[in-house]
Amino acid sequence: EADIYQTPRYLVIGTGKKITLECSQTMGHDKMYWYQQDPGMELHLIHYSYGVNSTEKGDLSSESTVSRIRTEHFPLTLESARPSHTSQYLCASSAGTGVTDTQYFGPGTRLTVL
Amino acid sequence: GNSVTQMEGPVTLSEEAFLTINCTYTATGYPSLFWYVQYPGEGLQLLLKATKADDKGSNKGFEATYRKETTSFHLEKGSVQVSDSAVYFCALSPNYGGSQGNLIFGKGTKLSVKP
Repeated sequence: EADIYQTPRYLVIGTGKKITLECSQTMGHDKMYWYQQDPGMELHLIHYSYGVNSTEKGDLSSESTVSRIRTEHFPLTLESARPSHTSQYLCASSAGTGVTDTQYFGPGTRLTVL
Repeated sequence: GNSVTQMEGPVTLSEEAFLTINCTYTATGYPSLFWYVQYPGEGLQLLLKATKADDKGSNKGFEATYRKETTSFHLEKGSVQVSDSAVYFCALSPNYGGSQGNLIFGKGTKLSVKP
């Protein structure tokens, strides 16, 4: 059973607010990821990290930012939320960077910006 | 570049029917291939994987064989249950031309199984 947690599970917020989506894992995994999942189900990688103090942009450009100060924690921040940010956000982690490594996913945060 | 194409859904089956979800890929070299499943209201979880040509991944009655000659990784199950209703994602992890360990996902196929 994977131990990766996301809070909040659901968030409804007004335009212009600053938000932080939390993601934590207790598996000691070095690599972590953030995906955005649109209503059509498609997944887009928006950020990833190889370890502490490492952050990289993913395939889909995003106005969000991430930080990795501790191995277990990989929060995502939106400085000024807009309706176009409405989506499901999934966090994941993997033990390494190998081709065969499995990614473990959190339950997701469903964000609605009014 | 690297890409994954899977059959579009939704797919609706009766309980105990045979399931096939097609997945083909484009990649340089020898990627690893995965099927992930997303149950309603949850994140994704690994269903099965195969890491080299002709490998067969299997789990919970599902199977998929890594076919390099046809660049395919079709998901099959002989007898589906209502509890298999979910969204299924095919994915590849490239070992060339991409960041190590990053997955490239197909668009997902929604399966609904009726009693």
